[in-house]
Amino acid sequence: GIQVEQSPPDLILQEGANSTLRCNFSDSVNNLQWFHQNPWGQLINLFYIPSGTKQNGRLSATTVATERYSLLYISSSQTTDSGVYFCAVERNFGNEKLTFGTGTRLTIIP
Amino acid sequence: GAGVSQTPSNKVTEKGKYVELRCDPISGHTALYWYRQSLGQGPEFLIYFQGTGAADDSGLPNDRFFAVRPEGSVSTLKIQRTERGDSAVYLCASGRGQGTDTQYFGPGTRLTVL
Repeated sequence: GIQVEQSPPDLILQEGANSTLRCNFSDSVNNLQWFHQNPWGQLINLFYIPSGTKQNGRLSATTVATERYSLLYISSSQTTDSGVYFCAVERNFGNEKLTFGTGTRLTIIP
Repeated sequence: GAGVSQTPSNKVTEKGKYVELRCDPISGHTALYWYRQSLGQGPEFLIYFQGTGAADDSGLPNDRFFAVRPEGSVSTLKIQRTERGDSAVYLCASGRGQGTDTQYFGPGTRLTVL
């Protein structure tokens, strides 16, 4: 099956800092989503981004499908950004199931 | 409803018992997915429904696990003869089912098998 690797596994930053999270995948995809899992376990949709660039407030994401990676940018971090960030992909012709990476645990210190 | 709902939020059971976990998808969503998340891991796919039928059940770990969606809306995940290794958070997601699409997740059911 498709492999999804995320880096770094852990990231600790001061409030106000910027960060870049990376997702590499091993095969062509037709769906890529970024999620934030908050401390209560809820998976919150951030972006549906199989290709191109999107922005939503302090967050933006870029997927370069031909090179099989995606980046999530968080600017001016706040303590509420803490949690685990997951990248999930659906392989081309993959029958719609998402394969998740192992996540990046982000901790924002006040 | 406004989002995907799951009940119960927590379930504690004894080894060998039978459990049912319920998922209520976003109204109008024809696609429904079950995933399982173990501590420190990302969610793993279990089963996918398009309407009433299971389009892909390749993620179910063994025949103790079964899921139904009889009317194309609410789904129930059923686990027979539970084992301690079944302890995890069970997540449900739904989507519009129009080809590749955004999946929206519920809050999950935390299952603990003693």
